[in-house]
Amino acid sequence: GAVVSQHPSRVICKSGTSVKIECRSLDFQATTMFWYRQFPKKSLMLMATSNEGSKATYEQGVEKDKFLINHASLTLSTLTVTSAHPEDSSFYICSARPTSGSQETQYFGPGTRLLVL
Amino acid sequence: DAKTTQPPSMDCAEGRAANLPCNHSTISGNEYVYWYRQIHSQGPQYIIHGLKNNETNEMASLIITEDRKSSTLILPHATLRDTAVYYCIVRPLNTNAGKSTFGDGTTLTVKP
Repeated sequence: GAVVSQHPSRVICKSGTSVKIECRSLDFQATTMFWYRQFPKKSLMLMATSNEGSKATYEQGVEKDKFLINHASLTLSTLTVTSAHPEDSSFYICSARPTSGSQETQYFGPGTRLLVL
Repeated sequence: DAKTTQPPSMDCAEGRAANLPCNHSTISGNEYVYWYRQIHSQGPQYIIHGLKNNETNEMASLIITEDRKSSTLILPHATLRDTAVYYCIVRPLNTNAGKSTFGDGTTLTVKP
């Protein structure tokens, strides 16, 4: 089946630093990728929709200057948490929708656990 | 998207069938029922989806009631590795999959 990878799988950083998380579709092209965050024992919350070659669409309440998204190619989207603080500690998950598939299809990455000290 | 209601947790004995219910009483005629699961500290995994007919694949079976107001995901022979949070989602045809609203899901614990 289709594979989506995320890197790094976990990261610990100091407060005030920026962290970049990569989401790659390994065997398919994805015009659209999605970024979610998940707090412990909570469900996934959609943060933004990343579109190749255009600006990301952010969900209400998500700061676009805080969570920078770049989708420069059909197989890579990046999420940069700028000036991270302890409250940004979370599990970040991406998913990708194949360009050739229906809108129904999405494949999830394994997630990135961020801990901000 | 229609709202779904699932029990917060369930236990199942290893080797037995796990039946996970989902209520979606406000489902519209063009909305599919999707099931995903999330094993601890991993990304969600697609399981199965259906519109009104029962569906079966290598992972599970999906039984949708005739009025489509509820459904049941069946794992026929649960293993310890099936311990996970199971999410039931409904969404219309040809809509952006990423916009799906994940509820709280059901935490299934398979016990030896």
